[in-house]
Amino acid sequence: AQSVTQLDSHVSVSEGTPVLLRCNYSSSYSPSLFWYVQHPNKGLQLLLKYTSAATLVKGINGFEAEFKKSETSFHLTKPSAHMSDAAEYFCVVSNNNDMRFGAGTRLTVKP
Amino acid sequence: GAVVSQHPSRVICKSGTSVKIECRSLDFQATTMFWYRQFPKQSLMLMATSNEGSKATYEQGVEKDKFLINHASLTLSTLTVTSAHPEDSSFYICSAPPGTGVGYGYTFGSGTRLTVV
Repeated sequence: AQSVTQLDSHVSVSEGTPVLLRCNYSSSYSPSLFWYVQHPNKGLQLLLKYTSAATLVKGINGFEAEFKKSETSFHLTKPSAHMSDAAEYFCVVSNNNDMRFGAGTRLTVKP
Repeated sequence: GAVVSQHPSRVICKSGTSVKIECRSLDFQATTMFWYRQFPKQSLMLMATSNEGSKATYEQGVEKDKFLINHASLTLSTLTVTSAHPEDSSFYICSAPPGTGVGYGYTFGSGTRLTVV
């Protein structure tokens, strides 16, 4: 069995400041981990994924995430938030037979 | 909280047959439902967006006649894989945007593992 916990349901940052969205996972297997973003009334968009290659994963729009096995974490970061980053973010753990979504973190970016 | 109930969780079917996957929103009304598929070790791919009472919007490259989507009510959206072939074997999952209640976030079904033999 596997699970994923997004530690913050809502994160608010000012434009130009760093973003940190936290995700912890539990998996009996070597997992694949993903971060998705969803803007209002849009489908999910893949930001980045980890599939047992480099532990620091760079994604689109300046986002990156680091896989830390010892901490079972896969936190999403961005050095400088932009207004267009305001959206819902989902952390997902997956293997061939199962997928689990986090509950989501709503990111608000203040001018 | 809002729940989307997706059934079946697993299905095995023969080539040429059709399979229906249901997603029901419990305790809230889902005017929109997103349908995704995922291949092993790959990311989710948005297939289509269904809207209650109107035709679904399909993403480029998704065959409308093969993946029939119906959203007949505010609590039920269905995906029917018609004339299934082994290459349709995949993991299918639905997602509903926030409902009208305060505090609801996007809600995902538990997914359907389809195997076509």
